[in-house]
Amino acid sequence: AQRVTQPEKLLSVFKGAPVELKCNYSYSGSPELFWYVQYSRQRLQLLLRHISRESIKGFTADLNKGETSFHLKKPFAQEEDSAMYYCALSGSARQLTFGSGTQLTVLP
Amino acid sequence: EAQVTQNPRYLITVTGKKLTVTCSQNMNHEYMSWYRQDPGLGLRQIYYSMNVEVTDKGDVPEGYKVSRKEKRNFPLILESPSPNQTSLYFCASGLAGGLNEQFFGPGTRLTVL
Repeated sequence: AQRVTQPEKLLSVFKGAPVELKCNYSYSGSPELFWYVQYSRQRLQLLLRHISRESIKGFTADLNKGETSFHLKKPFAQEEDSAMYYCALSGSARQLTFGSGTQLTVLP
Repeated sequence: EAQVTQNPRYLITVTGKKLTVTCSQNMNHEYMSWYRQDPGLGLRQIYYSMNVEVTDKGDVPEGYKVSRKEKRNFPLILESPSPNQTSLYFCASGLAGGLNEQFFGPGTRLTVL
């Protein structure tokens, strides 16, 4: 079975502060991991995926297989980063499992 | 415009009255999927389809049916809806497999009385 845990339902930071959204997973094989974001009144959309090793909108995420984590980080949060963030895992069967989400609020 | 569409966007119905939520994509994607979103639970996958006539159960398939007769369409069927199926439903599509980005529809808010 595959499982994704996002321990923080709500997270508030001030503009310009670093932000880290936590994601831990449980999967016996080699997972594919993603971060999706849902801005207010917009559709859920892909933010980044671990295989790309890219930085999107200043966000990065590193897969740590030893700690089974895929935390999302940004060194300087902006107000427009306020959104709901979902970590997701895809295993060999291509079933996609989402975490319960973290609502990020960036305060001015 | 490349997109995923769902209909209806809002639906209020009564227990036991069969309903279908349609999902259509115009991106020629092989993979399509249905999710429900509930407070505190995030998105949970109901069913997914790797291609035409190929469907598989997700994490919460009970009470739902799907079909994939055409590549572009992936309807979600509730044969006998119950109040615990009140939720926000999302359809998504993507290129083959979970490795690729999934594109989401706008959501359908269903209330079962």
